Amino acid sequence: GAGVSQSPSNKVTEKGKDVELRCDPISGHTALYWYRQRLGQGLEFLIYFQGNSAPDKSGLPSDRFSAERTGESVSTLTIQRTQQEDSAVYLCASSLDSTANYGYTFGSGTRLTVV
Amino acid sequence: KNQVEQSPQSLIILEGKNCTLQCNYTVSPFSNLRWYKQDTGRGPVSLTIMTFSENTKSNGRYTATLDADTKQSSLHITASQLSDSASYICVVLTGGGNKLTFGTGTQLKVEL
Repeated sequence: GAGVSQSPSNKVTEKGKDVELRCDPISGHTALYWYRQRLGQGLEFLIYFQGNSAPDKSGLPSDRFSAERTGESVSTLTIQRTQQEDSAVYLCASSLDSTANYGYTFGSGTRLTVV
Repeated sequence: KNQVEQSPQSLIILEGKNCTLQCNYTVSPFSNLRWYKQDTGRGPVSLTIMTFSENTKSNGRYTATLDADTKQSSLHITASQLSDSASYICVVLTGGGNKLTFGTGTQLKVEL
């Protein structure tokens, strides 16, 4: 597609439930990132995929968070047993590759509210 | 710890006025620096990208400067418009790596 697409745009879930967030990167973009943005705070790195390499999971805050990406296509971020502190906007970005020469295109995000 | 600090945290200006946003970083090694505009409810959109050797770059009414020696960057907005109201985020890419370090942003509001 023309841009990075994320779904759903909004998600309200009960504490303890699992949620799955989806990101469709720009076609041909090998690099894909997930970020979290809590209210009033900066963007927090979660995980990075580059082609078929092992993902960089160093930003995942706990083992309740996991993400998958098949090849260079769709990625899903799964949060198990959601907690109220998981409430945030989850942003996905993709880039042509991991070098410094290409910009990153962000999706509009998924606003997750845990009640 | 790699950090990116922005100031002011928020800013209100009248339409037509100019403003300058600041970004100081301690990220090392430095690869490039980007300024993003993030409208409420939207993802960030890139305004400018600057590498180590670039001192200034313009994109319409936006002009970014970079001083790699002092590790400071600024974003100057000329003749502000109501549509400039947004969060402006400074982002630094670490050289040799793939992680972006984000500043917490400056919330700009342009009023009539």
